[in-house]
Amino acid sequence: ILNVEQSPQSLHVQEGDSTNFTCSFPSSNFYALHWYRWETAKSPEALFVMTLNGDEKKKGRISATLNTKEGYSYLYIKGSQPEDSATYLCAPLASGGSYIPTFGRGTSLIVHP
Amino acid sequence: DAGITQSPRHKVTETGTPVTLRCHQTENHRYMYWYRQDPGHGLRLIHYSYGVKDTDKGEVSDGYSVSRSKTEDFLLTLESATSSQTSVYFCAISGGGNEKLFFGSGTQLSVL
Repeated sequence: ILNVEQSPQSLHVQEGDSTNFTCSFPSSNFYALHWYRWETAKSPEALFVMTLNGDEKKKGRISATLNTKEGYSYLYIKGSQPEDSATYLCAPLASGGSYIPTFGRGTSLIVHP
Repeated sequence: DAGITQSPRHKVTETGTPVTLRCHQTENHRYMYWYRQDPGHGLRLIHYSYGVKDTDKGEVSDGYSVSRSKTEDFLLTLESATSSQTSVYFCAISGGGNEKLFFGSGTQLSVL
């Protein structure tokens, strides 16, 4: 079982603010990292799959970076909108085993209009 | 949307009764997973399958068993339900490797 830490646990921002949160994971045996967005009353949906150190992914106003050597990934949201309100989950996968995603507890983002 | 169907969507049962949840996919994905979601714990893996009749335990497998007799179906059984198994259960599928997961709509299970 991987030790996955996400911070902060929750975040309240105003519409238009930019924000970022962190996912920390063991750097040894890194294989890949997933980011998911989980809206209330829905199911998690994948945002990004990241595999290489230095990877940067972008989807609209959301972007993510990856540092496998130090074991962290950042998720950035530029100009937050109320529809960005959701829980954001990261899930690293480790090699040398089953390559199964282990989810962090998530960061709950609430964007106030 | 990925073709994943969970059934039932909601179930209320009594302590000590057996319960089976079903996950059905139409995507022919190799991997299938059962997670439970609890406040303060996020998503925790119960069991997963990497092929027909190939399954393995996850982080919180005690009290649960699974079966996969066909590629498209992955069953989760609570042999004797307990109140601590009240939770929302999510099925997910993937092609394996670093491929992303697709999730079902979830099953709300209440054990009274």
